[in-house]
Amino acid sequence: NAGVTQTPKFQVLKTGQSMTLQCAQDMNHEYMSWYRQDPGMGLRLIHYSVGAGITDQGEVPNGYNVSRSTTEDFPLRLLSAAPSQTSVYFCASRRRSSGNTIYFGEGSWLTVV
Amino acid sequence: TQLLEQSPQFLSIQEGENLTVYCNSSSVFSSLQWYRQEPGEGPVLLVTVVTGGEVKKLKRLTFQFGDARKDSSLHITAAQPGDTGLYLCAGRSNSGYALNFGKGTSLLVTP
Repeated sequence: NAGVTQTPKFQVLKTGQSMTLQCAQDMNHEYMSWYRQDPGMGLRLIHYSVGAGITDQGEVPNGYNVSRSTTEDFPLRLLSAAPSQTSVYFCASRRRSSGNTIYFGEGSWLTVV
Repeated sequence: TQLLEQSPQFLSIQEGENLTVYCNSSSVFSSLQWYRQEPGEGPVLLVTVVTGGEVKKLKRLTFQFGDARKDSSLHITAAQPGDTGLYLCAGRSNSGYALNFGKGTSLLVTP
């Protein structure tokens, strides 16, 4: 059981470059979300989705786009990377009916130089 | 955004000591969760508390949800080096999908 899988694990980008962080879950969870974690800031919600074709903004959405074409996948796109987007990114998922049990991926370390 | 304040921010203790970590807010939450995160990994759920005044035990860990559902505490008895990690509390309001996370308490237990 793979759970929530994120790729890549590590990435270095130059300012202005674009990239996509991939997230896939094999648990048939309806809800998926992206968080970023920065020192002293805790986990902050970027975007989330309550089902295929439905996405919404979280606390810090600027500079990021998402789409949810399938239940399994929820990619996070950085269109023009900035040094302020250097962070650790976590994808998470949960069932709609399971209350609050959220499963996190192992994280993607992104550095923008 | 409903803020969750965790204290202390850092804690370094010796094996065998007891400790308590606090999670406080001015907002009411429908439920509150505690996670532990180890370096290089994502957070892992420890417990969910739902009812005001609720107490849950997980081996040497005791979790309590405040009567007003605005705060919570995590008490560890006889801490062990394996308890080392970042402890995060997270709350969800009645109307919201997302969890609001505290900034975490970084715990180091030395032998």
